[in-house]
Amino acid sequence: GAGVSQSPSNKVTEKGKDVELRCDPISGHTALYWYRQSLGQGLEFLIYFQGNSAPDKSGLPSDRFSAERTGGSVSTLTIQRTQQEDSAVYLCASSFTGGSNQPQHFGDGTRLSIL
Amino acid sequence: GQQLNQSPQSMFIQEGEDVSMNCTSSSIFNTWLWYKQDPGEGPVLLIALYKAGELTSNGRLTAQFGITRKDSFLNISASIPSDVGIYFCAGPRDNYGQNFVFGPGTRLSVLP
Repeated sequence: GAGVSQSPSNKVTEKGKDVELRCDPISGHTALYWYRQSLGQGLEFLIYFQGNSAPDKSGLPSDRFSAERTGGSVSTLTIQRTQQEDSAVYLCASSFTGGSNQPQHFGDGTRLSIL
Repeated sequence: GQQLNQSPQSMFIQEGEDVSMNCTSSSIFNTWLWYKQDPGEGPVLLIALYKAGELTSNGRLTAQFGITRKDSFLNISASIPSDVGIYFCAGPRDNYGQNFVFGPGTRLSVLP
């Protein structure tokens, strides 16, 4: 597709379960970002990938959160043993090469609800 | 750490009015980005600013990179109903653009 694609668009799960969120960046974009947006809040940076490497994982809130990227394309954000405070919209963005002068293009997010 | 503040937090305006909002930081930024987010969608880039003092327009939108590099403003002229949404400013925490910080947003509502 032409834009960043995220799946699922909505996910409801019980506390304690693991969840996987998927991001398909724009074809040819080497930089990929994950953000978390709580209700009515701004975006919180989670992790950045350049190719398959994650030089900046500083935003991951705990060791229950992990992410990987394969083939320089698709990325998966995994949350283990989910907690109610993990409920948020998880947004993925990609840019052509990364860098502060590269605009990021966002997907529509996955709305995660933990019961 | 670096934080961005946006004001106002929310605003209600009449259709046709001009809108002004701003973004401030205690730290210097080398790039300022303005995004708009509609409900249920991801943010969309409106304007990017790369140079102190730069004034850039995109249709009815005008944004400026403050001369101190610690602020930026966004103006919308002759607002229309589709301008409703949340406007975020953002900037890179580092010189490599690996880690971006976003402001809390300004929520704009337009009254017909």
